[in-house]
Amino acid sequence: DTAVSQTPKYLVTQMGNDKSIKCEQNLGHDTMYWYKQDSKKFLKIMFSYNNKELIINETVPNRFSPKSPDKAHLNLHINSLELGDSAVYFCASSQAQGSYTFGSGTRLTVV
Amino acid sequence: KQEVTQIPAALSVPEGENLVLNCSFTDSAIYNLQWFRQDPGKGLTSLLLIQSSQREQTSGRLNASLDKSSGRSTLYIAASQPGDSATYLCAVTWGANNLFFGTGTRLTVIP
Repeated sequence: DTAVSQTPKYLVTQMGNDKSIKCEQNLGHDTMYWYKQDSKKFLKIMFSYNNKELIINETVPNRFSPKSPDKAHLNLHINSLELGDSAVYFCASSQAQGSYTFGSGTRLTVV
Repeated sequence: KQEVTQIPAALSVPEGENLVLNCSFTDSAIYNLQWFRQDPGKGLTSLLLIQSSQREQTSGRLNASLDKSSGRSTLYIAASQPGDSATYLCAVTWGANNLFFGTGTRLTVIP
């Protein structure tokens, strides 16, 4: 199936831990993104990569570090997790100014 | 400042009714506008993509229109069904590869 897949689907961890979320797309898209959906369900861009190059880095704490080993993968590593990091994180991809395809989300709960 | 607004925040209609969801955006210089559907606890499903040069797009019972000059888009759903119950999100691309989302309209179709 052509899709954007992200793992894990659920992640529960303690404050201070370091965790990673992985994302892969097999759509051949050049651009990948990480979005955060907060408790009020508002979606906001965090990062955007085009052909492995970072092109958007919104005002996200530097505890969040994206890594794109190739244009089909964009992983998100989070250091020293805080309670406020609890949210649903969505990976997405697009080609030029075409339609965006989203993954099913990773629900992160920091306790 | 580039913003996307959706009104109403929630809408309940009886099954079979036709309905319209509204989206407005600041700055008419958009690249495209996309409508998504999000079911509770799920990811985003792309419904329709309208390029800036287009006035409308149709898919089945859905019709999306775009009026750039007034900064508005509408999503028309014909003959609503209980399965249409979800949150509908409008998202706009301006310039760089980045989707700006509205806060969504939560639709409930009552059987």
